[in-house]
Amino acid sequence: GEDVEQSLFLSVREGDSSVINCTYTDSSSTYLYWYKQEPGAGLQLLTYIFSNMDMKQDQRLTVLLNKKDKHLSLRIADTQTGDSAIYFCAEIPRGSTLGRLYFGRGTQLTVWP
Amino acid sequence: GAGVSQTPSNKVTEKGKYVELRCDPISGHTALYWYRQSLGQGPEFLIYFQGTGAADDSGLPNDRFFAVRPEGSVSTLKIQRTERGDSAVYLCASSLNAGPGTGELFFGEGSRLTVL
Repeated sequence: GEDVEQSLFLSVREGDSSVINCTYTDSSSTYLYWYKQEPGAGLQLLTYIFSNMDMKQDQRLTVLLNKKDKHLSLRIADTQTGDSAIYFCAEIPRGSTLGRLYFGRGTQLTVWP
Repeated sequence: GAGVSQTPSNKVTEKGKYVELRCDPISGHTALYWYRQSLGQGPEFLIYFQGTGAADDSGLPNDRFFAVRPEGSVSTLKIQRTERGDSAVYLCASSLNAGPGTGELFFGEGSRLTVL
């Protein structure tokens, strides 16, 4: 579970949708997460998905999980300038200490007005 | 306070010195975690406490790193003989418990350590 992969940068125009992709390592991972990090602030849990789900929607956020390909995505609808931040994908592999998250390097989302 | 509090927010030290970083978790949270985030990287796990005991310290990089949580609340991360490679943001997080669940960790803003 040490090599969670994410693209490093994404730029979108305000009002468009953003899609941030992640490839994780352990097909048995039970929980997968998206965290947001704004400058000077701590990591904030955005949403999570259990491995027995394919999709989860929460207001403007949609998480899609493809277990076969070990692919996780986060879609932000109607992206706003306030959504500009670094987004981290994280997993807890099966057998790992609960709370021991394995993070990707983060995707820097820039939203242009 | 309502959130996880970390002090100092910034620490600059010289190579070879000893450093202590403090974390005040959210009141009532039994699980406490330390992570380290190097520039351009995601956070990496260091150690996890359940109550007063270190339940998993396998992420500590070497024996220069040590952490304590003597009363099951505040935790201190101690780094001896600091090296330039220790420069990073040290993040503390707490959760209500560490059982099966959402894994919602509440993170502090971090302590930025710079070793000259």
